[in-house]
This record gives sequence, structure tokens and C-alpha cells, in this order.
Amino acid sequence: EAGVVQSPRYKIIEKKQPVAFWCNPISGHNTLYWYLQNLGQGPELLIRYENEEAVDDSQLPKDRFSAERLKGVDSTLKIQPAELGDSAVYLCASSLDAVNTEAFFGQGTRLTVV
Amino acid sequence: GDSVTQMEGPVTLSEEAFLTINCTYTATGYPSLFWYVQYPGEGLQLLLKATKADDKGSNKGFEATYRKETTSFHLEKGSVQVSDSAVYFCALRRIQGAQKLVFGQGTRLTINP
Repeated sequence: EAGVVQSPRYKIIEKKQPVAFWCNPISGHNTLYWYLQNLGQGPELLIRYENEEAVDDSQLPKDRFSAERLKGVDSTLKIQPAELGDSAVYLCASSLDAVNTEAFFGQGTRLTVV
Repeated sequence: GDSVTQMEGPVTLSEEAFLTINCTYTATGYPSLFWYVQYPGEGLQLLLKATKADDKGSNKGFEATYRKETTSFHLEKGSVQVSDSAVYFCALRRIQGAQKLVFGQGTRLTINP
């Protein structure tokens, strides 16, 4: 069974440019998460989807970040425009549901803004 | 708000040494507790979990016991191997309310042969 797939693995962009990350969760998983992991820190939730509905986006900086999960399957996280402080690893995870089941993580996308 | 505090790293041990990584938490109610491991170049993987007080999670020789009285979930292993070198994250998830994983800052473990 394929795990959570993220692309790209690495991305280097100049500040003020846009960038997008893609995530394909495990088949059948209704819950999808995007986490931000700064260097030397634990992951922090950006947004959680239940199917196609964003049910917790309180930590998403909405002035520059956006996300979508059309059709309740794969998801895209976008930053426009990127800032130097956005350099981090962006993790996607999925689970069957939000409460009782294990969350599986992708390998992440390492973003460097120069 | 909910939070998890882990033992400061990095931790360096010799092979076959005993390992303890401390983890304490603050949360409303009785959360589920987890240890995740991140091997070099890989994503986070669930190592073990416990869902109620006094539960012991175990996997791959690692153990952690949910201690409600001390709000702790310390990770232990009796004899570590070089292959255990990784970053370990303690995390919690509430059953009700904000159903998200809240992570500690991670502890980098290096095992020398």
C-alpha cells in the first residue's frame, strides 16, 4: 500500500515568488493535515481537512497561505508571496478519521526561500 | 493551550546503553499520547501510543507509560542500537475539541557503535 506522497521533496525559490506543494493521502483516508516544521522544532498544524472541508485552519496565515482539497482526495498548499521566514519543512499527513486512528506522514517538502 | 515539553537534545549514547527521553504534557482532559520517530531522510512514523492513564505503549523494544499523576510519557529502551539513531517526538491528541496532534520540539538521538 502506498503511503502519503508529497511533491516536490525540495524547493528553492526567491522571496516574493509563489510556491505550491502537493499531497496525495493514503487511499480511503478522510482526514488530511498540513503541518509546518521549523528547523529544530516539532511540527505545528496549519490546516486539517475532513474530506473536502477545512475544519481547522486557525493556524494558517491566510494573508499569504491557501490550501485546497478538491474532491476530498489530494491537496495543494500554496504560499504567495513567499517570505524568508517561510523556509521550513511542510508535512502532509492523513488518517482514516480525526480521532481514533493513526496519522501517517509523508516525507515532507523542504522549502528554502532566498 | 495544550503543550508538550521534551528533554533537551541532542542525546548521544553508546550501543547497548539504556535510554530515557523525558516527555511531559499540559492538556485539557485526558489526551492520547504518542511517540513518533523520524529517521534520516524519512517521514514521521508512529513508534508507540497510549490512550488512557497507566496504559503502556511498546514497540521495537521501546516502552512508554501514560502517567496521569505526573503528566508524563517518558520513552525508554533497555539496550539501544546504532539503528535507533533518529529524532524522537512526543505528541498528544485530545479526544474532544481540537483533534490535532500537538508535538514537542523533538530529541535527536545518536547511538555510537
